[in-house]
Amino acid sequence: GQSLEQPSEVTAVEGAIVQINCTYQTSGFYGLSWYQQHDGGAPTFLSYNALDGLEETGRFSSFLSRSDSYGYLLLQELQMKDSASYFCAAPRGGYNKLIFGAGTRLAVHP
Amino acid sequence: GAGVSQSPSNKVTEKGKDVELRCDPISGHTALYWYRQSLGQGLEFLIYFQGNSAPDKSGLPSDRFSAERTGGSVSTLTIQRTQQEDSAVYLCASSPFHKITGELFFGEGSRLTVL
Repeated sequence: GQSLEQPSEVTAVEGAIVQINCTYQTSGFYGLSWYQQHDGGAPTFLSYNALDGLEETGRFSSFLSRSDSYGYLLLQELQMKDSASYFCAAPRGGYNKLIFGAGTRLAVHP
Repeated sequence: GAGVSQSPSNKVTEKGKDVELRCDPISGHTALYWYRQSLGQGLEFLIYFQGNSAPDKSGLPSDRFSAERTGGSVSTLTIQRTQQEDSAVYLCASSPFHKITGELFFGEGSRLTVL
């Protein structure tokens, strides 16, 4: 089977840095994706890590450690608009059939 | 438009009625997915279509759920004899490649409420 665990809620202030962790149990692991979803909106792709290490895209970075079955999303210089739910996801079955975690709700306060 | 289009955006129905939800993927995307998202929850995989291959139906929760994809483009998800527990947002996504990229393009979803 496959499951992904992430915290349900995280709170931070504007300008701060926040890390959202994701641990997974899976067979045939291919990589870890991160998605952002604002209330009432569609999930949007943020990043994909197929290999160990840190991937940086602007204010957002994503990290993967395959040996630890662990990854995280790092958000820097937080802005109010970053308040959203963040989901980690992993492909299963050799293609883009993504299995999602339950999501982490990030609240950014002034 | 350039994105994944879903209709209706909102559907309210009575228990026991059938509903059809439509998805128009991004032009040229060969892979199409349906997910279900209950309030405050993650995304639950339902079904996957890739080209002319047999669909992966492993996520369909019961035989009341079915989906088809005509001409490798538009897809319809049908729920028969709806139940209150079917109330959720049904999200469609597409992707351009068969290989793993971890990136899906989602529509805005169809919110289904079963009374």
